[in-house]
Amino acid sequence: QVQLQESGPGLVQPSQTLSLTCSVSGGSISSGSYYWSWIRQPAGKGLEWIGRIYPSGSTNYNPSLKSRVTISVDTPKNHFSLKLSSVTAADAAVYYCARDVWSGSYRGAFDIWGQGTMVTVSS
Amino acid sequence: QSALTQPASVSGSPGQSITISCTGTSSDVGGYDFVSWYQQHPGKAPKLMIYEVSNRPSGVSNRFSGSKSGNTASLTISGLQAEDEADYYCRSYTSSSTLVVFGGGTRLTVL
Repeated sequence: QVQLQESGPGLVQPSQTLSLTCSVSGGSISSGSYYWSWIRQPAGKGLEWIGRIYPSGSTNYNPSLKSRVTISVDTPKNHFSLKLSSVTAADAAVYYCARDVWSGSYRGAFDIWGQGTMVTVSS
Repeated sequence: QSALTQPASVSGSPGQSITISCTGTSSDVGGYDFVSWYQQHPGKAPKLMIYEVSNRPSGVSNRFSGSKSGNTASLTISGLQAEDEADYYCRSYTSSSTLVVFGGGTRLTVL
């Protein structure tokens, strides 16, 4: 079955760029039925959608983060990535990648999630 | 402030039923049937429990059900069990530029 795994530095300095990768195993990221999303959760708080990418490279971003976010996809490597620039303490969170179903079963839902990776922002 | 409004907490005794509401607007919950619900245990990733308002993924107990009336979606858990104690989040498609909105989350306590 499809599995997602986040990876990247757990510590980022303020004003620097946070970079994370989500590796997809057990299935192809190129399937036309799915978007691939990033979601974050600050400690003790709720979920916030960051943005998503379609295999073609088309992206959608949360307007509140759009000026600082870039999501990209590498279909040969079967992974997608997140870059968040100019981070502050407010960006500290657990970052999840998730499969966002575009068509077929479970349409409109995040049906598969990575385990999450905690990112701390500190000098 | 989340785009969708959920109660901060609900509680119930084992065997009872509880309902968690998720209130939005005609631009999200009320306008589309792309409402989903997620269960999150402490330190774990969210798990899909309901999609398209009322459909259960395979493997999810039939004690979990979803519905919608107007701008409010609801998740009902019947026959409460200790393992149901978790945080629950709703998600909806929205016609606004945000595209994806979550509720603020509801902590379910099984007494």
